[in-house]
Amino acid sequence: GAGVSQTPSNKVTEKGKYVELRCDPISGHTALYWYRQSLGQGPEFLIYFQGTGAADDSGLPNDRFFAVRPEGSVSTLKIQRTERGDSAVYLCASSLMAGRNTGELFFGEGSRLTVL
Amino acid sequence: AQRVTQPEKLLSVFKGAPVELKCNYSYSGSPELFWYVQYSRQRLQLLLRHISRESIKGFTADLNKGETSFHLKKPFAQEEDSAMYYCALILDNYGQNFVFGPGTRLSVLP
Repeated sequence: GAGVSQTPSNKVTEKGKYVELRCDPISGHTALYWYRQSLGQGPEFLIYFQGTGAADDSGLPNDRFFAVRPEGSVSTLKIQRTERGDSAVYLCASSLMAGRNTGELFFGEGSRLTVL
Repeated sequence: AQRVTQPEKLLSVFKGAPVELKCNYSYSGSPELFWYVQYSRQRLQLLLRHISRESIKGFTADLNKGETSFHLKKPFAQEEDSAMYYCALILDNYGQNFVFGPGTRLSVLP
């Protein structure tokens, strides 16, 4: 595709439910990032993949959050037992190489998660 | 902890006026710094990076290690510059994790 694609664009769920957010990066981009952006805040780092492996997952807030990238392309962010505090826009970004080599992240439009 | 601060949540200027969006960082090493921009109903995108020493859309930013600042400047603001601006850094030791500031909304008035 022409850019990073994220689905769904909007997700409304109830507290306690499980959700999956999908990211389809730019073809050929080996690095993939997940960020969370709450209202009035900047993007907050969650996890970074280089290829299939999670190179840095230090931003995941707790063990309810998990992400995979099994074939080194599409990634899924999984949130178990959702809480109202998980409501945010979840941004995915991809990069041709690891961060400082290019300095340019290509962002998707985000998935807006609302937990009622 | 490594932090990026942007003291102004909102900055309003008139068209043709100079604009400066402030960014300060706290990191003892040599970070690489960037400005990202999000125009209305568009994706977050890279505006410029300090290592390139480039001017994009009339914007420039100079890294001042003494003041740990990376302010974004433009001598004559245009209405189309209205957007959210985020300062970001990569830590040189790790080179993977982009840390973003909270953002400043620039509003250029006619």
